[in-house]
Amino acid sequence: AQSVTQPDIHITVSEGASLELRCNYSYGATPYLFWYVQSPGQGLQLLLKYFSGDTLVQGIKGFEAEFKRSQSSFNLRKPSVHWSDAAEYFCAFSNAGNNRKLIWGLGTSLGVNP
Amino acid sequence: EAQVTQNPRYLITVTGKKLTVTCSQNMNHEYMSWYRQDPGLGLRQIYYSMNVEVTDKGDVPEGYKVSRKEKRNFPLILESPSPNQTSLYFCASSLGLGHEQFFGPGTRLTVL
Repeated sequence: AQSVTQPDIHITVSEGASLELRCNYSYGATPYLFWYVQSPGQGLQLLLKYFSGDTLVQGIKGFEAEFKRSQSSFNLRKPSVHWSDAAEYFCAFSNAGNNRKLIWGLGTSLGVNP
Repeated sequence: EAQVTQNPRYLITVTGKKLTVTCSQNMNHEYMSWYRQDPGLGLRQIYYSMNVEVTDKGDVPEGYKVSRKEKRNFPLILESPSPNQTSLYFCASSLGLGHEQFFGPGTRLTVL
């Protein structure tokens, strides 16, 4: 079955520390991959996406993600976290078939300590 | 400004009282979708629409209706709301399937 796993329900880091949020997908081919962020009381905003090409993609707010086909992973990283990064982060993928449905992970909640 | 708007943002209602949550986008997107977000369950798709007059069920369509009479609007209708429909609802739009989705700010619905 097609699915997205975000193994960490909640992560807390100190401001200025580096961050890596994990995302693994289950799909038989290379999907379109997305990371979204949801700040408290807000809708979801796209951080970055991978469709093809360079497996290291840059996004907004200083985030990047690396697609690793061999590990079926698309982990999100940021070298130095800011307090404003505290939010819920969702990984999602879209299959490449006619029904390009978005499959969502359950999210990782990020807390940032001052 | 490109955006997806939803109204109302907050709604408290009672069981069985029909309600409509409106959604409108100004980006000329063909694809629109409704999600509900519940703690521990993530985002679940209710209905989606590929274009005007084309709608289809998502993962949790029971108890909901939608219509797409105009490209920009995609209202969500609860004919007879029940307490298990208490949730945070998001409307989203995109150029098409597989593309980045733009989300509205959400509607928090409480059904008593």
